[in-house]
Amino acid sequence: EVQVVESGGGLVKPGGSLRLSCVTSGFNFGNAWVRWVRQAPGRGLEWVGRIKPKTDGGRTDYAAPMKGRFTISRDDSKNTLYLQMNSLQTEDTAIYYCTTSYVAGVLFDYWGQGTLVTVSS
Amino acid sequence: QSVLTQPPSASGTPGQRVTISCSGSSSNIRSNYVYWYQQFPGTAPKLLIYKNNERPSGVPDRFSGSKSGTSASLAISGLRSEDEADYYCAVWDDSLSGRVFGGGTKLTVL
Repeated sequence: EVQVVESGGGLVKPGGSLRLSCVTSGFNFGNAWVRWVRQAPGRGLEWVGRIKPKTDGGRTDYAAPMKGRFTISRDDSKNTLYLQMNSLQTEDTAIYYCTTSYVAGVLFDYWGQGTLVTVSS
Repeated sequence: QSVLTQPPSASGTPGQRVTISCSGSSSNIRSNYVYWYQQFPGTAPKLLIYKNNERPSGVPDRFSGSKSGTSASLAISGLRSEDEADYYCAVWDDSLSGRVFGGGTKLTVL
């Protein structure tokens, strides 16, 4: 059974930092293209960024508002994806979803339940 | 303001066919595959269509996707009450070097 479980959300003050984790199981995480997507309360979906598998170079890409503040990383030995968020702003308040897209070139679209990040003083 | 433009709302009666449009540009829709997601309140999105017109296993054939030039569409035939949800298009944008989502369309089944 495929599982994608995010954690690490919570309340943080503006300017603060937070690290989200996404623990996965049931598939070959090391070969997976994985990404973060967020959704502000009552708003639409927004792509945060992605990380390719090491077999495809391990490159990361970020949406413009996140560049320089957010860092995506992966620990294939733990089947875990991370999102380090620094210099958080109130507009970063959102549910953050961890999602897979492709594994070894095959469609494999799974989403976690999301974790809520609230940036407020 | 989203790079991809979707109508904020759409509606139809049971059994009808409805389409939701997604308008982009040469750097996104024209050049890359379009994906469509369905989202119910309080739940994670679900992939409906990938690579413009392919359906993942388990998605009913009432859902179909198409693309022409810089626009794409999601069609839902034989509309059902359980199709009432938010729908999003998504595509890679070569100029932004990132994935972009449409603003979403709220579908109401009257």
